[in-house]
Amino acid sequence: QVQLQESGPGLVKPSETLSLTCTVSGDSISNYYWSWIRQPAAKGLECIGRIYSSGSTDYSPSFKSRVIMSIDTSKNQFSLHLRSVTAADTAVYFCARLGDERTFDYWGRGTLVTVSS
Amino acid sequence: SFVLTQPPSVSVAPGETATITCEEDSLGGRSVHWYQQKPGQAPVLVIYYDNDRPSGIPERFSGSNSGNRATLIISRVEAGDEADYYCQMWLGTSDHYVFGTGTKVTVL
Repeated sequence: QVQLQESGPGLVKPSETLSLTCTVSGDSISNYYWSWIRQPAAKGLECIGRIYSSGSTDYSPSFKSRVIMSIDTSKNQFSLHLRSVTAADTAVYFCARLGDERTFDYWGRGTLVTVSS
Repeated sequence: SFVLTQPPSVSVAPGETATITCEEDSLGGRSVHWYQQKPGQAPVLVIYYDNDRPSGIPERFSGSNSGNRATLIISRVEAGDEADYYCQMWLGTSDHYVFGTGTKVTVL
């Protein structure tokens, strides 16, 4: 069974960079797309972007100017870096696998990141 | 912009059928996927490609997609089906995964 686990700071100061890592177990990270999705409190889901195991990335237009994703296949991990955060970036951040490029078939449990001074 | 509109809430008695819609004027021809999210948990894929069920999802969950509307149907609703449900679509470009506005299903 594929499992994903997010890790990283739960508190980030405004204007700083939010950095999270997703560790994948139960299967190789190779040959799949992997994604970050966030959910502000009491709101819906928003996809930030995706990264392929080769390192190729595609970002949602809403985040393109301040996001970088990376992947480390030797560690079965991928990461999210979101620059210049504000309170509006406070949300639960999920990592997920794109099983066939179109559907998110496995998700992490999510991690709450609060942006506050 | 592309917005998948869902009713904010649906209430249904146990044993009855819950119907959740997902609408967008430009929906036609695109596959829709559905996720169930219980409080404090990650979403779970319950329907993909309009009407396919992942392994482990009960047959009570089904879907349809026609015209500008996709529908998730939960038959013989149980208390454990109480959750938020989101539709999702891939717009065919590399940077566009869109989720619906979400529907809270309450089992009376």
